Amino acid sequence: DTGVSQDPRHKITKRGQNVTFRCDPISEHNRLYWYRQTLGQGPEFLTYFQNEAQLEKSRLLSDRFSAERPKGSFSTLEIQRTEQGDSAMYLCASSLREYQPQHFGDGTRLSIL
Amino acid sequence: ELKVEQNPLFLSMQEGKNYTIYCNYSTTSDRLYWYRQDPGKSLESLFVLLSNGAVKQEGRLMASLDTKARLSTLHITAAVHDLSATYFCAVPHRNTGNQFYFGTGTSLTVIP
Repeated sequence: DTGVSQDPRHKITKRGQNVTFRCDPISEHNRLYWYRQTLGQGPEFLTYFQNEAQLEKSRLLSDRFSAERPKGSFSTLEIQRTEQGDSAMYLCASSLREYQPQHFGDGTRLSIL
Repeated sequence: ELKVEQNPLFLSMQEGKNYTIYCNYSTTSDRLYWYRQDPGKSLESLFVLLSNGAVKQEGRLMASLDTKARLSTLHITAAVHDLSATYFCAVPHRNTGNQFYFGTGTSLTVIP
């Protein structure tokens, strides 16, 4: 069990650019989640995959955001035309079954200049 | 929408003292999770509370759940510096166990 890994750890970009983050869940976990965390707040749910199917999406996930999990293993989260308000920590988590504790990665911190 | 509130938001306590963090949530749930987050680090699962009256203890931390009151507590006994962190409670979405709703967190600082 190597834990959930996320890449990159930090991303600095100019407003209007596109960014992509990667998450590798714990290998036997078929459920993968993306959350966003801003300073002083708890994580906010963005989206959930079971295997390769994206089954739940938050209304926080605007049309500039897209997530994929093409082979049911790693996942990517892309933000197009980034805005200042996108600055946050993007957290990935995984679990084996629903209602089990979700195991979190260290996150990708996005800073928009 | 499910709302999860924690208090206090900030807690500064001396080593050796006891204190309780409270977590209230707005809709029915028979499960609740506690996490710990150190600065710049990921969230670490501490406790899973699965039913009304559930109590879990690990070291100086004890968590309990009262589903009727929609309240969970995290009690800290004889605090030590290593417990300094931010603590979050989380409640799963009513109809699916996949969306977790997190509280705003309680930032705990234990002063020697």
